[in-house]
This record gives sequence, structure tokens and C-alpha cells, in this order.
Amino acid sequence: ELKVEQNPLFLSMQEGKNYTIYCNYSTTSDRLYWYRQDPGKSLESLFVLLSNGAVKQEGRLMASLDTKARLSTLHITAAVHDLSATYFCAVENSNSGYELNFGKGTSLLVTP
Amino acid sequence: SQTIHQWPATLVQPVGSPLSLECTVEGTSNPNLYWYRQAAGRGLQLLFYSVGIGQISSEVPQNLSASRPQDRQFILSSKKLLLSDSGFYLCATTEDSYNEQFFGPGTRLTVL
Repeated sequence: ELKVEQNPLFLSMQEGKNYTIYCNYSTTSDRLYWYRQDPGKSLESLFVLLSNGAVKQEGRLMASLDTKARLSTLHITAAVHDLSATYFCAVENSNSGYELNFGKGTSLLVTP
Repeated sequence: SQTIHQWPATLVQPVGSPLSLECTVEGTSNPNLYWYRQAAGRGLQLLFYSVGIGQISSEVPQNLSASRPQDRQFILSSKKLLLSDSGFYLCATTEDSYNEQFFGPGTRLTVL
């Protein structure tokens, strides 16, 4: 069974600081996705990482994938309040080809 | 690009009542479709997915069922709701050859 673990699950950080969210998964997979969810809203796709060493950046967020370590990171640079949300990573289940296994999410709060 | 519609947006139902949630997709053909449930403050649980009309795969045993009567229509049903069925129900679809999933706006269900 493919397990996906995110840490931390809760993160409070000050504006202007940097931090990294980690996503570990238990079995081989070459595809990983990051999503953002605002309170009471649906999920919005942030990044698609399709191969080992993939790195994607959008604004103050940068995501990377190390398939050998079964690890993805979401790095936040100089956080601003607008980044407050819950961030999910999801790993493609290579056995089924159709399913994504989601982590429990990291709730991020950026404070002044 | 595709658009996902879900209705109703919110629903309050008594225990033991039936349920029907609808998801329709525009702008794509023969999509993979998914139903997820998100309990309050929790991660996403995959309930059903479908790769074509009449083809439904269930991920967890429960009192819910799903149907796909048309290519771009996916319905989630129950004959008798339980308190534990409360949650945020999300429909998702994939657009490309890889499995990046796009989510609809969701239906918030409260069972009293």
C-alpha cells in the first residue's frame, strides 16, 4: 500500500521567513503533485513533478522531487500572509495508473 | 480547458435520508472521474473512480454508491445517510496523459 506522509502537519511562520514542507512516500513513483486548499474551498493544482530531479517554481514557492529518496519538498521563500492555506502532496499510484494517494496536508499560517 | 460543475453546493440532510450528488464536466471527452470525501480538518479519501461509462471502482466499503450514466456525468448516491457521511465531497477529473487531477468546487454535506 502506498503511504504518503507530510510534515509538518501544522506550521505557523512569520512573514518574511523561509521554510520547507516535506512529503515522503513509501513505494516507487515518478510522479508527484502539489495542491493548495484555502479554507472552505476546493483544491487548486500548484505543481506537477514528473521525473527525478524535477524542480518547479512559482512566485515564492518552489517544489522539487527526488524519486530515489522518495521525497518531495515544497520550499517557501519570504512568506507572505496570502500563502496561508493547506498544502497537499499527492503521489501517483503506479499499480493502478489512475489513482493519487494524498498526504494529510500541511496547514500553513503566515503571521505578521 | 475543462470545467467541473458540482451541485448542490451545500446540503443538510437528516440521518436515514437518501442522497444524490452530481458532477458534470465540460470541455473534455472520456475523462477519468473521481469522488473524494474530506472530513472536517482531514485529508482526502478516495471513494470511487471511473474510467468510462458504467465503469466504477470502489475504494472503500461504505453505504455510498456511484454511477456514471453519461460520459461526463458522475453521480454519488446513498439510500440511507449516516452521521459519518458528513463532509466535503469533491469531484475530480484528469485532463492530460499524466494524472494531474482537477477538482470541482465541492459539495458540503451535513448529516444531522
